[in-house]
Amino acid sequence: AQSVTQLGSHVSVSEGALVLLRCNYSSSVPPYLFWYVQYPNQGLQLLLKYTSAATLVKGINGFEAEFKKSETSFHLTKPSAHMSDAAEYFCAVRMNNAGNMLTFGGGTRLMVKP
Amino acid sequence: DADVTQTPRNRITKTGKRIMLECSQTKGHDRMYWYRQDPGLGLRLIYYSFDVKDINKGEISDGYSVSRQAQAKFSLSLESAIPNQTALYFCATSDPNRGSSYEQYFGPGTRLTVT
Repeated sequence: AQSVTQLGSHVSVSEGALVLLRCNYSSSVPPYLFWYVQYPNQGLQLLLKYTSAATLVKGINGFEAEFKKSETSFHLTKPSAHMSDAAEYFCAVRMNNAGNMLTFGGGTRLMVKP
Repeated sequence: DADVTQTPRNRITKTGKRIMLECSQTKGHDRMYWYRQDPGLGLRLIYYSFDVKDINKGEISDGYSVSRQAQAKFSLSLESAIPNQTALYFCATSDPNRGSSYEQYFGPGTRLTVT
């Protein structure tokens, strides 16, 4: 069965510091992986996705993620945090079923300190 | 205008009441989904529909029902609301046939409180 684990339900960084949000997955098929961001009082917005092409994926707002098959990881990074990055972030993996639906991790709330 | 809309955005209701949450989309996607979000649990799938005549239960369908009135509309009902259904509810759409790599597009959410 497919599953997603996000390590750390809350992450706090200073403005300008590196952002690292961790995601590990399990999948019995080649995975499609996604990072979504949820700003306060809004729905989820796609940040980036891995679909078996380049292992380093660049997304919106300066975020990127690297697919590491050997580590079954898809961690999200940004070199320099901005106050506007404060949000909740969700990692998701395609499920291996007839519908190819997504299963989501528990989410990581990113706080950015001035 | 937003591609996926949800009404109402906020709702407070009492235990035992029937309530309907509505979702509409202008993306032309066949697949629609209802999720609930609870702190620390991420998003959990309640129901999904691959087309107007195809409706399926998700992992937490007990206490909920759905109706797919048209390709563009997918409603979620709580037949008799209870306090542990207090949550943030999201509607989403997808259309893998258009090469979207299974990504889903989300509405803004409905915050439901059951007292």
